[in-house]
Amino acid sequence: DVQMTQSPSYLAASPGESVSISCKASKSISNNLAWYQEKPGKANKLLIHSGSTLQSGTPSRFSGSGSGTDFTLTIRSLESEDFAVYYCQQYNEYPPTFGSGTKLEIK
Amino acid sequence: EVQLVESGGGLVQPGRSLKLSCAASGFTFSDYYMAWVRQAPTKGLEWVASISYDGGSTYYRDSVKGRFTISRDNAKSSLYLQMDSLRSEDTATYYCTTDNYGWFAYWGQGTLVTVSS
Repeated sequence: DVQMTQSPSYLAASPGESVSISCKASKSISNNLAWYQEKPGKANKLLIHSGSTLQSGTPSRFSGSGSGTDFTLTIRSLESEDFAVYYCQQYNEYPPTFGSGTKLEIK
Repeated sequence: EVQLVESGGGLVQPGRSLKLSCAASGFTFSDYYMAWVRQAPTKGLEWVASISYDGGSTYYRDSVKGRFTISRDNAKSSLYLQMDSLRSEDTATYYCTTDNYGWFAYWGQGTLVTVSS
């Protein structure tokens, strides 16, 4: 299985700041990577697929970059609603696998 | 608005069976592959199984192959997961999702399955 390593596992930031989350694949996955947001009491939300394509409804302050094995989710000008847990996921091959998550908290 | 509503979770003894259901609305169900993804308590997300538009093709993670069966009824816009020979490590919240070329665009809120004696 393709192992997905996310870092950091925990991140504290203030509203208005920008943050980046890293996701590394154990082998090349081309650009077959998605990012999700998890919030308590809400359905998980797909933010980005194909490495950098924003899902409809995802605010433009979110961006994704990378290909091959190294990927980054960047959130510019954090808003209060962005504090959540973020997961990356590869779908280049079965089984699809997820990173272990990054919890973004308010500093 | 897309809605996916899971049901059927609960407490079950090891070795027993349980069937999960997912009622879909707000989109043309038969146009989408569908999947189940689970999350054990305090753990990350884990894909379980996927099924093609008409149910003709199914895919499973190794740890559930031969024990779980994914199926669908397009006339009822419903997805199912039959879980047999349950183990303690199957304890998790199970999410119904659309499977869009490998990424999961829409998610339900999940149903909790606890396998314990």
